Amino acid sequence: DTGVSQDPRHKITKRGQNVTFRCDPISEHNRLYWYRQTLGQGPEFLTYFQNEAQLEKSRLLSDRFSAERPKGSFSTLEIQRTEQGDSAMYLCASGFVDSPLHFGNGTRLTVT
Amino acid sequence: QKEVEQDPGPLSVPEGAIVSLNCTYSNSAFQYFMWYRQYSRKGPELLMYTYSSGNKEDGRFTAQVDKSSKYISLFIRDSQPSDSATYLCAMDTSGTYKYIFGTGTRLKVLA
Repeated sequence: DTGVSQDPRHKITKRGQNVTFRCDPISEHNRLYWYRQTLGQGPEFLTYFQNEAQLEKSRLLSDRFSAERPKGSFSTLEIQRTEQGDSAMYLCASGFVDSPLHFGNGTRLTVT
Repeated sequence: QKEVEQDPGPLSVPEGAIVSLNCTYSNSAFQYFMWYRQYSRKGPELLMYTYSSGNKEDGRFTAQVDKSSKYISLFIRDSQPSDSATYLCAMDTSGTYKYIFGTGTRLKVLA
């Protein structure tokens, strides 16, 4: 069990640029989640996958955000036309049905 | 009113003290209750996972759930400086893992 891996750890981008983050879940976990955390707040749910199917998206996930999980393995989260309000920690988590989530160390996004 | 309320702290205690961390909630449908520990610039690390009411103990950590009062607690015995972190409570209604988190309580254990 190598844990949930996220890449990059930190991304600095200029407003209007596109960014993509990657998450590698714990290998046997079939559920994968994306959360967003801003300073002084708890994580907020964005979206989740069971295998390759994206089952739910939060209203927080605007049209500029898209997530994929091809082949039910790793996942990517893309933000198009970034805005300063997108600056946050983006957390990936994975788990089984009937077990709690395990989180990665996140990708910290700074939009300048 | 937020669904989950948690005092942000900071809470400072001397080494060896018993620490009590708490969350209150408003949604009576919550059935799954979690405590995570988060160090600075790291992801949340699962400490305790409880279904429905009752107590659960794991080493120096004890989690309590009182559904009648909509109140959960995490106790840390013999606190250590390495316990200094932010403690997040999280709750879920039906095991879908769309957790609702509290804002986190910052804990400082002084050597």
